[in-house]
Amino acid sequence: GAVVSQHPSWVICKSGTSVKIECRSLDFQATTMFWYRQFPKQSLMLMATSNEGSKATYEQGVEKDKFLINHASLTLSTLTVTSAHPEDSSFYICSARDPTGGQADTQYFGPGTRLTVL
Amino acid sequence: AQSVTQLGSHVSVSEGALVLLRCNYSSSVPPYLFWYVQYPNQGLQLLLKYTSAATLVKGINGFEAEFKKSETSFHLTKPSAHMSDAAEYFCAVSGGYNKLIFGAGTRLAVHP
Repeated sequence: GAVVSQHPSWVICKSGTSVKIECRSLDFQATTMFWYRQFPKQSLMLMATSNEGSKATYEQGVEKDKFLINHASLTLSTLTVTSAHPEDSSFYICSARDPTGGQADTQYFGPGTRLTVL
Repeated sequence: AQSVTQLGSHVSVSEGALVLLRCNYSSSVPPYLFWYVQYPNQGLQLLLKYTSAATLVKGINGFEAEFKKSETSFHLTKPSAHMSDAAEYFCAVSGGYNKLIFGAGTRLAVHP
């Protein structure tokens, strides 16, 4: 199946710093990628839809200036958490949409990034 | 609007027993439905998906799910549980703009 990677797998940073997380589709081109946030023992919450070559679409309540998304190529999307604070600590998961399935396109998920802000 | 309800946040079975994880959906259009599994501190892995072809969908690791329109259900089953099946399972429906709408998840525990 399609493979999606994320880097780093975990990161610890000080409050006020910025952290960049990369999401790559390794064996297919993804025009659309998605960023999710998952709190402990909860479901995934969609943060934004990342479209190659255009601005990301953010879900209601997600601060676009705080969570910067760049999708510069068909295989790479990045999420930058700016001026991170302890409440931003979470598990961030990306997914990439395989466009070969028509309307039933499947999202393939990365392994996630555990962010801890001290 | 689409939505998914997973009945039972925790399910516990004995090794070798039948696994049944329940998922009901709501959709104003013919749905595309997915089951994903998540192991601790990992991303989600696709188990299977329903795309309006056969109503009984077979997935990986011996799992299968049956789409029942009359019941708006897409329950996940496996005839015989293994210890390695212990994980969190998410049902999802494809919403607009290729978004996935996830259920709250069901944690499956398998006891010896």
